Amino acid sequence: EVQLVQSGAEVKKPGESLKISCKGSGYIFTSYWIGWVRQMPGKGLEWMGIIYPGDSDIRYSPSFQGQVTISADKSISTVYLHWSSLKASDTAMYYCARLRGSGGSLLQEMRYWGQGTLVTVSS
Amino acid sequence: QSALTQPASVSGSPGQSITISCTGTSSDVGSYNLVSWYQQHPGKAPKVMIYEGSQRPSGVSNRFSGSKSGNTASLTISGLQAEDEADYYCCSFAGSSNFVVFGGGTKLTVL
Repeated sequence: EVQLVQSGAEVKKPGESLKISCKGSGYIFTSYWIGWVRQMPGKGLEWMGIIYPGDSDIRYSPSFQGQVTISADKSISTVYLHWSSLKASDTAMYYCARLRGSGGSLLQEMRYWGQGTLVTVSS
Repeated sequence: QSALTQPASVSGSPGQSITISCTGTSSDVGSYNLVSWYQQHPGKAPKVMIYEGSQRPSGVSNRFSGSKSGNTASLTISGLQAEDEADYYCCSFAGSSNFVVFGGGTKLTVL
């Protein structure tokens, strides 16, 4: 069974750094793209970016390029989303999601989702 | 402002059919048969209901169907049930610059 398990909720102050995680299991971790999706309070879904753990090929949405860093550690089947300096506007639920099929194609839907990580940034 | 335009809300009575539209451009919806639809209940992660415009994942009711005409995709839910009440988001591949774009979401109310 494919599972994506995300790290727990975080409360941080503006200017602090943060790395949240998404651990995949039940499949060959290196063979599937995993992306990140933001959902601000009461708002819609926003695609942030995606990584192919096999070769760490990363694509960012223009809206999030330079704002966050996506990375992966193949040895522990985990993808990360990192902020170097949080802002109050980063307060949101963040979901990781895996594409349906294996291989390098991005032309697929997000089939499997993590449970979400709530990030709250407040002074 | 979202890249894809959806109505903010739709409603229907149990047993009825509703359709949610998703309007994009020739750079996303119009260029690729890669629209997907996600259902999200409050406090839950999204769930894919339709992919590649009209395909249903295993386990999704055949009451859900998808279509596309030009730059507009549509999700139709027939035989509305109470459990269909949720937010629905369309999503499309948008080329090698923007990659993936979502609609703003539609709140479905089952009356």
